[in-house]
Amino acid sequence: GAGVSQTPSNKVTEKGKYVELRCDPISGHTALYWYRQSLGQGPEFLIYFQGTGAADDSGLPNDRFFAVRPEGSVSTLKIQRTERGDSAVYLCASSPSAAAPGEQYFGPGTRLTVT
Amino acid sequence: AQKVTQAQTEISVVEKEDVTLDCVYETRDTTYYLFWYKQPPSGELVFLIRRNSFDEQNEISGRYSWNFQKSTSSFNFTITASQVVDSAVYFCALSPRGKLIFGQGTELSVKP
Repeated sequence: GAGVSQTPSNKVTEKGKYVELRCDPISGHTALYWYRQSLGQGPEFLIYFQGTGAADDSGLPNDRFFAVRPEGSVSTLKIQRTERGDSAVYLCASSPSAAAPGEQYFGPGTRLTVT
Repeated sequence: AQKVTQAQTEISVVEKEDVTLDCVYETRDTTYYLFWYKQPPSGELVFLIRRNSFDEQNEISGRYSWNFQKSTSSFNFTITASQVVDSAVYFCALSPRGKLIFGQGTELSVKP
């Protein structure tokens, strides 16, 4: 079946602009995660959803970052007033449930460049 | 604090050599999971193994093996008879509940 997909694959934006990054999880997976990976670093947790609700948003760096998952499937990560330091690869992952941590299946990522 | 340390930033070996990637973790939770992921040059993270904190049995899968030692908070990964296709960045991760906490990664280069 289809894996996790993310769109766009690349996004270049100017400092101060608003961006939306989309994640389509594997069908039937109730848990969805967002991570951010800077060059040469491991992925850094941002937020995860169990169903429609954010179960843990402790990794969001500040209030410019927001994520939604209104119907418990597709999720959108929204970044307001982008800064150059937001440039990174944004990774989405899904798993059948967060209750008993199984492997998380990762998407290919969205490379965000803020100029 | 919850933390994963992969002290080896880069390792370079010649094909057919064995190589061990080190991982040390910190957590105060008594129940947690440990993972290894591979990130090849294409960029997509690939799951390799999950271990829960109550299962200290070593595991072998083909050329891959994992050594989990709770007493030293380590979860090391060995590749036997390495191949060029093993070249990638390998990440160790800790999951106390839900989210993954990744180490910095070890870049493995296997030369022919």
